[in-house]
Amino acid sequence: QVQLVQSGAEVKTPGASVKVSCQASGYTFTGYFLHWVRQAPGQGLEWMGWMNPYNGGTDYARKFQGRVTMTRDTSINTAYMDLSSLRSDDTAVYYCATFSGYLKAFDIWGQGTMVTVSS
Amino acid sequence: DIQMTQSPSSLSASVGDRVTITCRASQFISTYLNWYQQKPGKAPNLLIYAASSLQSGVPSRFSGSGSGTDFTLTISSLQPEDFVTYYCQQTYSTPQTFGQGTKLEIK
Repeated sequence: QVQLVQSGAEVKTPGASVKVSCQASGYTFTGYFLHWVRQAPGQGLEWMGWMNPYNGGTDYARKFQGRVTMTRDTSINTAYMDLSSLRSDDTAVYYCATFSGYLKAFDIWGQGTMVTVSS
Repeated sequence: DIQMTQSPSSLSASVGDRVTITCRASQFISTYLNWYQQKPGKAPNLLIYAASSLQSGVPSRFSGSGSGTDFTLTISSLQPEDFVTYYCQQTYSTPQTFGQGTKLEIK
């Protein structure tokens, strides 16, 4: 079935970087933009950016520009979100999601990856 | 950036009640408005897309309406599993912003 499976929880110290993976299955990986959304504990949803798996094109939210990098490996249908210079307020669950061009919505979501930033 | 304002932020209701959640965009977004349901510890799940279209597999008690800047999500008869959190999202322009969420609580 169509699904996105993300990597496991991470614990990082301030200033470090984290790389979260998102492996797609059940659909053509290069056919749909892949977005990243995060959610701090008890808070709402925050859009971080998207990546086009077909050509690697990206667009990042202004807040994360310079700190986030979204890449992919089409040989294994996997997308990556790399966030650097981590701070305590980056502690959140990070989700990947596919964007359906037909629905104009995020129709498939990964299960989420908890990233904890603590000294 | 387009700001999305949901109201109320929380809502107490009973099983069987009809409830409405509103979402207002800070500028025109046509019908590029989606609604998601999020259960505790889970990823959001798409309920309504394009303001009023029901996603496949979603119960018909959920409905959406609106266009331009003002939108509503209505649940016609609340079921026990509906007492979770709901988010609106605009996909008219980047960044694709979300409302702050509405938490439905059992009265």
